[in-house]
Amino acid sequence: AQSVSQHNHHVILSEAASLELGCNYSYGGTVNLFWYVQYPGQHLQLLLKYFSGDPLVKGIKGFEAEFIKSKFSFNLRKPSVQWSDTAEYFCALFFGSSNTGKLIFGQGTTLQVKP
Amino acid sequence: NAGVMQNPRHLVRRRGQEARLRCSPMKGHSHVYWYRQLPEEGLKFMVYLQKENIIDESGMPKERFSAEFPKEGPSILRIQQVVRGDSAAYFCASSPPGLAGAEQFFGPGTRLTVL
Repeated sequence: AQSVSQHNHHVILSEAASLELGCNYSYGGTVNLFWYVQYPGQHLQLLLKYFSGDPLVKGIKGFEAEFIKSKFSFNLRKPSVQWSDTAEYFCALFFGSSNTGKLIFGQGTTLQVKP
Repeated sequence: NAGVMQNPRHLVRRRGQEARLRCSPMKGHSHVYWYRQLPEEGLKFMVYLQKENIIDESGMPKERFSAEFPKEGPSILRIQQVVRGDSAAYFCASSPPGLAGAEQFFGPGTRLTVL
């Protein structure tokens, strides 16, 4: 069955540190990949998405992610985090053979940035 | 353009009561998805609907849960005879008509607490 795995459940960083959150998936076919962020008390917002083309995608607020097909990975990165990046981050997958559009989510990574 | 609306934001029910959660998709969106987030877990797909049709309910519990998206009005997720294990955050998402796998826009969620 298709699945998404986020390796880091809880990450604590100081401001200006670099961030990389891991995301791996299990599915051999065509995929659309997403990173969503949930700030405290708010709803999920899309950070970035990959459908096709350049495997390095840039999103909002300085985030980027790289799709590496051979590694089934879609890791999220940011060179220098800010206190305001404190949030929960979810990786999500749409697998191409589905005709329903449902997303499969990882379990989430809580990022805490210390000022 | 208003985002996805959900109400109520918080709902408290006693065991055995019914819970009704409402979702109004973004204007122009005809696809509605319901997800459930249990504590310390990622979002889990429940059901995908289009107007007057259930397209995929593979994530719905077999009993007590039902969903609808009528021609007029919001989508409703209904939980009958709630139990403590139903306590969770329920998120609705919508996407525009067209290709499956497009970006989904999420509402703020309804946090259901069963006493």
